[in-house]
Amino acid sequence: ELKVEQNPLFLSMQEGKNYTIYCNYSTTSDRLYWYRQDPGKSLESLFVLLSNGAVKQEGRLMASLDTKARLSTLHITAAVHDLSATYFCAVDPPGAGSYQLTFGKGTKLSVIP
Amino acid sequence: GAGVSQSPSNKVTEKGKDVELRCDPISGHTALYWYRQSLGQGLEFLIYFQGNSAPDKSGLPSDRFSAERTGGSVSTLTIQRTQQEDSAVYLCASSLDGAEWETQYFGPGTRLLVL
Repeated sequence: ELKVEQNPLFLSMQEGKNYTIYCNYSTTSDRLYWYRQDPGKSLESLFVLLSNGAVKQEGRLMASLDTKARLSTLHITAAVHDLSATYFCAVDPPGAGSYQLTFGKGTKLSVIP
Repeated sequence: GAGVSQSPSNKVTEKGKDVELRCDPISGHTALYWYRQSLGQGLEFLIYFQGNSAPDKSGLPSDRFSAERTGGSVSTLTIQRTQQEDSAVYLCASSLDGAEWETQYFGPGTRLLVL
């Protein structure tokens, strides 16, 4: 059974600071997705990482994937309040298509002015 | 263009009643997914439809849950004889072809509360 673990689950940080959210998964997969969820809203796709060493950046967020370590990171640079949300990573189980994503429990980020 | 839409946005029902949740995927998307988000279990896959293929029902938690997709577009998730543990947010997502590299686009969800 595929397990996806995120840490930390809660993160409070000051504006302007940098931090990294970690996503570990238990079985081989080379497809990893990051989503953002604002309170009361649905999930918004941030990044799709499809190969070992993949790195994608959008604004103050950068995601990377190391399939050998079964680890993805979401790095936040110079955080701003608008980044406050819950961030989920999700992984395809081996042998499956893009359906049946297995999600981590989410990291609730609060950026404090 | 329009995103994935779901209705109702909120549903309160009594234990033992049946409920129907509706999902309208993005136009042209052939793959449709249902997930459930609850405090205790996080986000869980429920069922997947791809075109005219038989759906993957492997995530449905019990035989009280069923889903159909008519005409390859709109989908309905039905929960019979609802239980309190069914209370959750039910999310629908769609993707263009269901291919492995595609992003799944999520709807706003239906918040179900079973009293």
